[in-house]
Amino acid sequence: GDSVTQMEGPVTLSEEAFLTINCTYTATGYPSLFWYVQYPGEGLQLLLKATKADDKGSNKGFEATYRKETTSFHLEKGSVQVSDSAVYFCALSTGNQFYFGTGTSLTVIP
Amino acid sequence: GAVVSQHPSWVICKSGTSVKIECRSLDFQATTMFWYRQFPKQSLMLMATSNEGSKATYEQGVEKDKFLINHASLTLSTLTVTSAHPEDSSFYICSAGSDRGPKTQYFGPGTRLLVL
Repeated sequence: GDSVTQMEGPVTLSEEAFLTINCTYTATGYPSLFWYVQYPGEGLQLLLKATKADDKGSNKGFEATYRKETTSFHLEKGSVQVSDSAVYFCALSTGNQFYFGTGTSLTVIP
Repeated sequence: GAVVSQHPSWVICKSGTSVKIECRSLDFQATTMFWYRQFPKQSLMLMATSNEGSKATYEQGVEKDKFLINHASLTLSTLTVTSAHPEDSSFYICSAGSDRGPKTQYFGPGTRLLVL
């Protein structure tokens, strides 16, 4: 069945470090791919998305490229800030059903 | 972007009481809404999918008599936790499927339930 495998955390980085959170997926058909972010005590917010192969989603300095050949959608940011500390979820959708990864906790220290 | 609200954001109740959580799509019509449960430091677990005007579809292992879902209109879905017990304490999150393609779910801010 459809599923998402996400890099386990927690991840701790110094401010201005480069961030990569790996995400790979298994799906039949042609899924849309998403990254959601959850700040402490809050719900999920859509960070970025890509709906077809080779699309790049970007927002707030974060980027992810839909790679069909490697079935991946890795999240990257060139220079993280303390305010980026949160839990990041990779997800896929092949219709109305969403499948989430287990989440990766990121802590950025000054 | 699309906005989904939840009410209440926090609720504390005694064991045995019932709690109703509302989920509203504020600026779009949501024919489909989803209810998730999230345990501390874990991912979201889909509980049920509700479509306006029809019965909710529950995921395996979710007690439909325990978690009553009603989707009475295109902007409102409710989750009622009946006869709540401490093990029902959790973070409940709803999401709504936007009618604006491509398909994306917009999440509410969540409701934290603590059953004493």
